Amino acid sequence: EAAVTQSPRNKVTVTGGNVTLSCRQTNSHNYMYWYRQDTGHGLRLIHYSYGAGNLQIGDVPDGYKATRTTQEDFFLLLELASPSQTSLYFCASSDQGGRAETLYFGSGTRLTVL
Amino acid sequence: AQSVTQPDARVTVSEGASLQLRCKYSYFGTPYLFWYVQYPRQGLQLLLKYYPGDPVVQGVNGFEAEFSKSNSSFHLRKASVHWSDWAVYFCAVSNNYAQGLTFGLGTRVSVFP
Repeated sequence: EAAVTQSPRNKVTVTGGNVTLSCRQTNSHNYMYWYRQDTGHGLRLIHYSYGAGNLQIGDVPDGYKATRTTQEDFFLLLELASPSQTSLYFCASSDQGGRAETLYFGSGTRLTVL
Repeated sequence: AQSVTQPDARVTVSEGASLQLRCKYSYFGTPYLFWYVQYPRQGLQLLLKYYPGDPVVQGVNGFEAEFSKSNSSFHLRKASVHWSDWAVYFCAVSNNYAQGLTFGLGTRVSVFP
């Protein structure tokens, strides 16, 4: 079973604050994703990566940066957090990279921006 | 662009009763389709996935889904619901190569004795 670990589990910050969400997968998957989950919107793709040093833009990238430092680690950065970024964030990984790929999700980080 | 519609935001069912969750997709070409489940305070887990082939797909925990190209649907079914099936269920369609999935809004299932 693929293991994807997110930290922190919960985070509260203020408007304009700087936040980093961390994700680590220990199954040597090449593909990693950041999603946000909001009532009325489901899950929306923010950024994704094909491997260390690679970054791709998702469907809702505004206000977010991401960095893939190693095959295992994928970070989501909010440099000037806004209340609209209050959400539940999920990281996922996949080893297949094809249309039939299975995504393995972490348990999520709940971010509140005051 | 591809999209997924789950018309039922909430479904309430008695334990032991059957369950059907609806999913309609929009995709140009042959879709690859998925059902994921999210238990309380957890991430999403795969229930089953559809590749082109047999339209009925078996998943974990007694779930199955049926693909219909003519109806653009991929409905999820379970013959007898257990209290542990209390969760949110997401239908999803695969994007192009390694671009993740497009999810529906989810259906929240509540199970009562």
